[in-house]
This record gives sequence, structure tokens and C-alpha cells, in this order.
Amino acid sequence: NAGVTQTPKFRVLKTGQSMTLLCAQDMNHEYMYWYRQDPGMGLRLIHYSVGEGTTAKGEVPDGYNVSRLKKQNFLLGLESAAPSQTSVYFCASSLRRDQPQHFGDGTRLSIL
Amino acid sequence: LAKTTQPISMDSYEGQEVNITCSHNNIATNDYITWYQQFPSQGPRFIIQGYKTKVTNEVASLFIPADRKSSTLSLPRVSLSDTAVYYCLVGDVFKRGGGADGLTFGKGTHLIIQP
Repeated sequence: NAGVTQTPKFRVLKTGQSMTLLCAQDMNHEYMYWYRQDPGMGLRLIHYSVGEGTTAKGEVPDGYNVSRLKKQNFLLGLESAAPSQTSVYFCASSLRRDQPQHFGDGTRLSIL
Repeated sequence: LAKTTQPISMDSYEGQEVNITCSHNNIATNDYITWYQQFPSQGPRFIIQGYKTKVTNEVASLFIPADRKSSTLSLPRVSLSDTAVYYCLVGDVFKRGGGADGLTFGKGTHLIIQP
């Protein structure tokens, strides 16, 4: 049972480039989330999804887009990367709204 | 918004019991209290969740007083491997009218266990 898998694990981008981070879960969870974590900080919610085909904004959504075309996948896109988006990105999923979240191991993204 | 307050850091020694307290004065009636543990270079891992009184599992206990304005995570007989950041989350994921304020992790408590 893989749980939550994030792809890629590391990436270096140049300012202005675009990319997509993939999150996949095999637990049939309804809810999925994208967070970012900066040095010395807790996790901040970027976007989340309450089910296939739905997305919603979190605390820090600007500069990011998401899609949930399939229940098991939640994609995070950066259309035009900026140095301020250098961070560690975590994906999580949960079965229901009041259930604990399961996290992936993160994607370390550097934007030069 | 049920904001939480935790100590920034704590130190203890192997074999001791460690208690980390989280304050959440504005907790709402439907809010759960959830604790996560995070090691460097890893995603947070669920430890325990509760609503009131006491909850115990194989790794920790969670004590919640009657007014629910605080909670205490208790780690029995800690070891060096318990050195990590511990986050307290309070809230329901989705409030009426939208928002996801139950997902505010804050900076957590950096617990350091010494030999």
C-alpha cells in the first residue's frame, strides 16, 4: 500500500518556467490537499479538493492552480514560477472531513 | 478561527514523559483536536485525535479538559527517535460559508530528546 505518492521529489526551475506537481493516493480518499512549507514555518494550505472534479482555495492560493480530474490524483500547477515559490510542497489526503490526513514525502522545489 | 498556541520548543531526556500543551481559546463546538508529528525531510504523520476528555492509543495520550480551551499531548517514556516537530490542529475542515481554517498547522513545537 503506497499511500500518498508525490512526483517529482526534487526539481529546479528558472523564473518564468511552468511545471506540474503530481499527487497520487491509493486509499480511495475523498479529500486531497496541497500545502507548502517554508524554513522554520508550519504548513500552509494552498488548495484543496473535496472530491473528484472539485477544487477550492486555501490560505495561499495565488500563483498556483490545481485540478482533480480523477479521484486518486491531485495536480498542482505553477504557470510562471517565481523565486518566492521556492519551498517544500506536501500533498495529503483524508477519507472524510473529520479524519486524519495522510501525507506524502514532499517535493522540494527551487526556483532560480 | 480557532487559532492555536504552542511552545516553540521543549527539551527532555530519554525515558521521561513529555507533555506538550496547546491553547485554543476559540475552539468551536464541532471542532476536533488533532496532533501530528513531523521529522526532517518527511511529511507530517498523524499521532492522535480527540474531541473531549481523554484519548489514548499505542503511541500517545491526549487530555482535553471540560472547557476544551486547551489540550495536552502526552508522550510516555520518550526516546531519541521522538525528536521532531509536533503540531496541534483545531477545527473542522469546512465551515459554513466556506474556508478551511481547520487546516492551520502553525509553527509547531520542536521537541528535542537528549540521552
